Amino acid sequence: NAGVTQTPKFRVLKTGQSMTLLCAQDMNHEYMYWYRQDPGMGLRLIHYSVGEGTTAKGEVPDGYNVSRLKKQNFLLGLESAAPSQTSVYFCASRLPPRTSGGAGYTGELFFGEGSRLTVL
Amino acid sequence: ILNVEQSPQSLHVQEGDSTNFTCSFPSSNFYALHWYRWETAKSPEALFVMTLNGDEKKKGRISATLNTKEGYSYLYIKGSQPEDSATYLCAPITGGFKTIFGAGTRLFVKA
Repeated sequence: NAGVTQTPKFRVLKTGQSMTLLCAQDMNHEYMYWYRQDPGMGLRLIHYSVGEGTTAKGEVPDGYNVSRLKKQNFLLGLESAAPSQTSVYFCASRLPPRTSGGAGYTGELFFGEGSRLTVL
Repeated sequence: ILNVEQSPQSLHVQEGDSTNFTCSFPSSNFYALHWYRWETAKSPEALFVMTLNGDEKKKGRISATLNTKEGYSYLYIKGSQPEDSATYLCAPITGGFKTIFGAGTRLFVKA
């Protein structure tokens, strides 16, 4: 049971290069998210998707693009990498919430193992 | 943007001490609150999902309470152990889509 898988796990880029991070989940989750982890700032939401073919901006979307062409995959792209994008990136997925909360609601996030990106 | 505050930012305790941290969030349009435990070099894992005002959840030595009217949740650890050392994140859910995290409380438990 793979859960949420991120590739690559590590990458070093030069300023101005482009790259794509792939997130794949096998839990049939509707919602998928990309976060970045920075010291003292916890996890900050970059972009998210509530279903195939839909994406939306999070807290820190600038410099990133995303696509959700298939339900199980959520891609994060850096068109022109900058040193400020050096970070650890986490992908997560979850089921959509029920129409109301209350007993039985779960909806917790399941995370990938992270991708460490260094931009020189 | 949802303003989620966690305090303290970090906490150093001795093995056996009990401790607690706070998560504050806007009380309007509340849907649920998640607590996650995040160990160094690993991925965050869900601890509790809380939905009802007055909710109290418990898992071993760790428990959490929720007050949706005033917009806060407490996480308690009884008799801290070195293996409890981690960052504890809270994430209130409003509107059902975005999951925004607080900056976390980093707990260090010294043997």
